[in-house]
Amino acid sequence: GAGVSQSPSNKVTEKGKDVELRCDPISGHTALYWYRQSLGQGLEFLIYFQGNSAPDKSGLPSDRFSAERTGGSVSTLTIQRTQQEDSAVYLCASSLGGFTDNEQFFGPGTRLTVL
Amino acid sequence: AQKITQTQPGMFVQEKEAVTLDCTYDTSDQSYGLFWYKQPSSGEMIFLIYQGSYDEQNATEGRYSLNFQKARKSANLVISASQLGDSAMYFCAMTSFSGFQKLVFGTGTRLLVSP
Repeated sequence: GAGVSQSPSNKVTEKGKDVELRCDPISGHTALYWYRQSLGQGLEFLIYFQGNSAPDKSGLPSDRFSAERTGGSVSTLTIQRTQQEDSAVYLCASSLGGFTDNEQFFGPGTRLTVL
Repeated sequence: AQKITQTQPGMFVQEKEAVTLDCTYDTSDQSYGLFWYKQPSSGEMIFLIYQGSYDEQNATEGRYSLNFQKARKSANLVISASQLGDSAMYFCAMTSFSGFQKLVFGTGTRLLVSP
């Protein structure tokens, strides 16, 4: 079946502009996660959605970052007024949402470059 | 808070030999899961193996096995009969079962398999 998909695969933007990154999770997966991978910070958790529960936003680095998940499926990560330090690969993952053996399946990522 | 430590930035192994990638973790949770992911140069994160804190037996998946020593808080990955295609970054990660299911990653180990 189809895996996690993300779009765009690459995004180049100018400092100060807003960007939207999209994630389509695996059908039937109730949990969705956003991570960021950068050279300086490694792999960092950003935000987590589980069903209809309030999302865990504890990893968002600033209020310029926000995410939503519509209809329990597709998610959009929005970065407002982008800064050069936002340049990274943004990874989305989804899982069945159980409490054990909760393997997360990752998408190919969106490489964001802020000039 | 949870923490994963991978002390080997790079490892070299010859084809067909076995290699061990080290991972230690720190958590105050009683129930947790440990994961290994492989990231080839293409950038995708590929799930390899999972170990639950309550599992008494070490996990195995084909050529991958996880050497789980709970008292020492270590979860080393053993790759047997290395192949050229095993050259990649390897990340150890953990999640707690007591709260949200985010993954906490180590800094990774780059494995190079030579012919």
